[in-house]
Amino acid sequence: GENVEQHPSTLSVQEGDSAVIKCTYSDSASNYFPWYKQELGKRPQLIIDIRSNVGEKKDQRIAVTLNKTAKHFSLHITETQPEDSAVYFCAATPRGYGGSQGNLIFGKGTKLSVKP
Amino acid sequence: DTAVSQTPKYLVTQMGNDKSIKCEQNLGHDTMYWYKQDSKKFLKIMFSYNNKELIINETVPNRFSPKSPDKAHLNLHINSLELGDSAVYFCASSHAGGGQPQHFGDGTRLSIL
Repeated sequence: GENVEQHPSTLSVQEGDSAVIKCTYSDSASNYFPWYKQELGKRPQLIIDIRSNVGEKKDQRIAVTLNKTAKHFSLHITETQPEDSAVYFCAATPRGYGGSQGNLIFGKGTKLSVKP
Repeated sequence: DTAVSQTPKYLVTQMGNDKSIKCEQNLGHDTMYWYKQDSKKFLKIMFSYNNKELIINETVPNRFSPKSPDKAHLNLHINSLELGDSAVYFCASSHAGGGQPQHFGDGTRLSIL
């Protein structure tokens, strides 16, 4: 089955700096890669996603890149702000997993701290 | 309006009891999921349902049984609760088919005494 590795487990940056979180996946058939942000005591919230037919996607200060050959994808946050502090999870949906449905296989999360 | 709502938000009970967690979505989605988040914050899929049919049953104990009266509801029933069941349980929903964004509920924090 699919396995998703996420690094680093913790990341501390100064306000205004950039933050990069990296994930690798094992199933080459995986075709959907979302990123979730989870604040303390809250639900995971989708912040950006990318499909396997796209190499890069950007939404304001957030961007995701995908390298299908290397089977890794990354989250980039520019001009970080204190409110970006949270746990970030990457995930992958294996194409053949569960037939037509797509369960999310999550990485173990990265705790991002943005210091003012 | 809350898109995916779970009740209760907190559940404190003793070992051996049976409990249920309810989930409802008003997004018109066809597929609903249950995830477990343990004390280390690891998120793991437990079940998914599409049009009231179980799609995947992960290797969870058969003490856990999902029940879906209609496509807008997916409840989780747990028999003979154990200490290791303490976790936050999240319900989610999406449109059918792979590669669809999933929307999560606020979670139910289950504590076993």
